[in-house]
Amino acid sequence: DAGVTQSPTHLIKTRGQQVTLRCSPKSGHDTVSWYQQALGQGPQFIFQYYEEEERQRGNFPDRFSGHQFPNYSSELNVNALLLGDSALYLCASSSSGGSYEQYFGPGTRLTVT
Amino acid sequence: AQSVSQHNHHVILSEAASLELGCNYSYGGTVNLFWYVQYPGQHLQLLLKYFSGDPLVKGIKGFEAEFIKSKFSFNLRKPSVQWSDTAEYFCAVNRRGNTPLVFGKGTRLSVIA
Repeated sequence: DAGVTQSPTHLIKTRGQQVTLRCSPKSGHDTVSWYQQALGQGPQFIFQYYEEEERQRGNFPDRFSGHQFPNYSSELNVNALLLGDSALYLCASSSSGGSYEQYFGPGTRLTVT
Repeated sequence: AQSVSQHNHHVILSEAASLELGCNYSYGGTVNLFWYVQYPGQHLQLLLKYFSGDPLVKGIKGFEAEFIKSKFSFNLRKPSVQWSDTAEYFCAVNRRGNTPLVFGKGTRLSVIA
């Protein structure tokens, strides 16, 4: 049973560019949440997708957007990248019909230069 | 808004020493409480969780935590640490349901021989 997978593992982008990160949830999970973990900090909630809609959103600007597909996988898009967007981006999946426990993927390390 | 405070930024212990990491949260309603661990180069893993019932929760690898509602605390303990416990530890809380996790800033534990 595969856990949460994310791609790519590492990414280097230039300021002003756009980036797309991908996440496949754990088998049986239908909800995907995205978190940003800056160096030396705890993860911060970006948004959550369920039934292909954004259900909840944290305190992040509109440059951060997402999508969920019918197979429950998800994308995180960030436009107009800033240096401060450099971080580890974590995807977590959970089940709406279960214990709501969130399982995390290995993350994508984004570096903006 | 919910918040989580972890009292120690970096803890250094010798092998076999006892561990206690503090965690306090601010939220007046019913919450779920978690401790996650991030070993070097690995993804976030759930150590233990509290949803309801016995306030003393036992997790993996000999860790336990005690929920004290009156103090809004959920401290992590281990009687005897090992070198392999060297990692970053995060306390997290969410409201009941499939809701976002709010993390503390983490405590780095270094165990020396």
